[in-house]
Amino acid sequence: DADVTQTPRNRITKTGKRIMLECSQTKGHDRMYWYRQDPGLGLRLIYYSFDVKDINKGEISDGYSVSRQAQAKFSLSLESAIPNQTALYFCATSDPGGSYTDTQYFGPGTRLTVL
Amino acid sequence: DAKTTQPPSMDCAEGRAANLPCNHSTISGNEYVYWYRQIHSQGPQYIIHGLKNNETNEMASLIITEDRKSSTLILPHATLRDTAVYYCIVRVAARRGSTLGRLYFGRGTQLTVWP
Repeated sequence: DADVTQTPRNRITKTGKRIMLECSQTKGHDRMYWYRQDPGLGLRLIYYSFDVKDINKGEISDGYSVSRQAQAKFSLSLESAIPNQTALYFCATSDPGGSYTDTQYFGPGTRLTVL
Repeated sequence: DAKTTQPPSMDCAEGRAANLPCNHSTISGNEYVYWYRQIHSQGPQYIIHGLKNNETNEMASLIITEDRKSSTLILPHATLRDTAVYYCIVRVAARRGSTLGRLYFGRGTQLTVWP
């Protein structure tokens, strides 16, 4: 089984609809992240969470919200989807531990299309 | 975080070594060099990271110049499955308790391995 899973894998919705993307991990990591990727571009950070009580905005948080329900679960919501939120969304986890490493492990992605 | 410069594309014959360069001339003394790759629309995959010493793991080798202003990722025997976009990222490592955590993904290098 994959360590980081995302549901759904594909979603088509209409403008104005509320959408929730879910991420679960079995790696036991404290840190979780949501990125989006647009064609031909690198990944951009939307939100990140260092533990259940910690939520931080990334560089493109407008139009998005998140919920950290548990250490293993981090959800991304689009309250009112718009077409320019059509993108590939990735969840990631990491745990720096006691050493100077903070490798991020990514889920398989959710392809979201907003019509 | 320091910026990186990578060639937009490279190709390599199957079975040969693939050498992917990265320039990071403004890297700071406490910044690590990380390499990730992304195989067509899949989640990015961690490859290797290093600070100043050369590193090797089961996937690749990382050669960092003495002045740390550039590095090379080496895939010793490239296969068709290594065709992907390779991202070179420099960032301060985040120990537990640190507020740092994000990765800055640029556009990377599209490596194409041909038969």
